[in-house]
Amino acid sequence: GAGVSQSPSNKVTEKGKDVELRCDPISGHTALYWYRQSLGQGLEFLIYFQGNSAPDKSGLPSDRFSAERTGGSVSTLTIQRTQQEDSAVYLCASSLDSGGGREQYFGPGTRLTVT
Amino acid sequence: GENVEQHPSTLSVQEGDSAVIKCTYSDSASNYFPWYKQELGKGPQLIIDIRSNVGEKKDQRIAVTLNKTAKHFSLHITETQPEDSAVYFCAATGGTSYGKLTFGQGTILTVHP
Repeated sequence: GAGVSQSPSNKVTEKGKDVELRCDPISGHTALYWYRQSLGQGLEFLIYFQGNSAPDKSGLPSDRFSAERTGGSVSTLTIQRTQQEDSAVYLCASSLDSGGGREQYFGPGTRLTVT
Repeated sequence: GENVEQHPSTLSVQEGDSAVIKCTYSDSASNYFPWYKQELGKGPQLIIDIRSNVGEKKDQRIAVTLNKTAKHFSLHITETQPEDSAVYFCAATGGTSYGKLTFGQGTILTVHP
């Protein structure tokens, strides 16, 4: 079946602009995660959604980052007033639920470059 | 929170040899340990995982072992092939980091034909 999809695959933006990154999880998966992959920090957790529960935002690096998940499916990660240090690959993953030991499947990522 | 250390950072082997990558974790409550393979320009792909109630798991040429007492787990790839060349990440979750994966720093594996 269809895997996790993300768009755009690449995004170049100017410093100070806002960007929106989109994630479509695997159908039927109730848990959705955002991670960031950068050379200096490796793969780091940002935020996750589980069903209708309040999201766990503990990994968001600053208040310029926010995410929402509409209708329990598609999610959008928004970065306001982008900075050069925001340049990274943003990865989305989904799982059946967020229970311990649930396999997380990743999308191809969005490569964000802030100039 | 959880902290995962992964070694080595790079690994070069000849085709047909075995490759071993090791990880240690800090949170004794962690109970799920997946391994991901990432090829250039792609997202991480889940290749094998192990849960804390199991000591070893094997899937064809790949196996994972877990030592809960020592808080370390390892990935073993036998009969390596050039297509095994990629970056491999270990991860851990459970306990206080329920649902959130904490990743190791990654191992660049190169298999020479």
